[in-house]
Amino acid sequence: NAGVTQTPKFRVLKTGQSMTLLCAQDMNHEYMYWYRQDPGMGLRLIHYSVGEGTTAKGEVPDGYNVSRLKKQNFLLGLESAAPSQTSVYFCASNILAGNYEQYFGPGTRLTVT
Amino acid sequence: DAKTTQPNSMESNEEEPVHLPCNHSTISGTDYIHWYRQLPSQGPEYVIHGLTSNVNNRMASLAIAEDRKSSTLILHRATLRDAAVYYCILRDRDSGGGADGLTFGKGTHLIIQP
Repeated sequence: NAGVTQTPKFRVLKTGQSMTLLCAQDMNHEYMYWYRQDPGMGLRLIHYSVGEGTTAKGEVPDGYNVSRLKKQNFLLGLESAAPSQTSVYFCASNILAGNYEQYFGPGTRLTVT
Repeated sequence: DAKTTQPNSMESNEEEPVHLPCNHSTISGTDYIHWYRQLPSQGPEYVIHGLTSNVNNRMASLAIAEDRKSSTLILHRATLRDAAVYYCILRDRDSGGGADGLTFGKGTHLIIQP
């Protein structure tokens, strides 16, 4: 049981390039989330999904797109990277609605130059 | 979600108890109090949560004030591995089925001295 995994662990992009971050969970969780964390700050929610085929916007969705084609995977896309998107990205999952603990991945450190 | 207030940092000695405070004066009756921690260069991990009564688990204890306007996370015997940022987060029991994610503040940076 690997829990929540993220690919890649590190990435450097040039401004305007695109990339996709992959999150996978093997716990059969319905809910999945993408957060970003800037230095010295708490995490902020980018997008989330309440089930396969569904996505919704979080607090800071601009510049990102997501897809949940399979229940176990949640993809975060940057179509045209900007330096302001330099951050650490965390994926998380939740088994069900309500007050259940969220499980987080190890993070992806992205630098946009 | 209601706002929480935590000290920016705290320092404690190894093998001593640590009490991490959190104020949440605008808490509503349906808000659960959650604690997460983030070890250096890792994703956050769940610690504990509660509604009204004090809670214990293998990691920590959560003491909730009678008026629920504050709570304290208690690490009974801190180790160097407990050095982390601790986040106190309120989560509405009825918040869209939990679909709105967690709202993180800056948390408390806990330093453990050997």
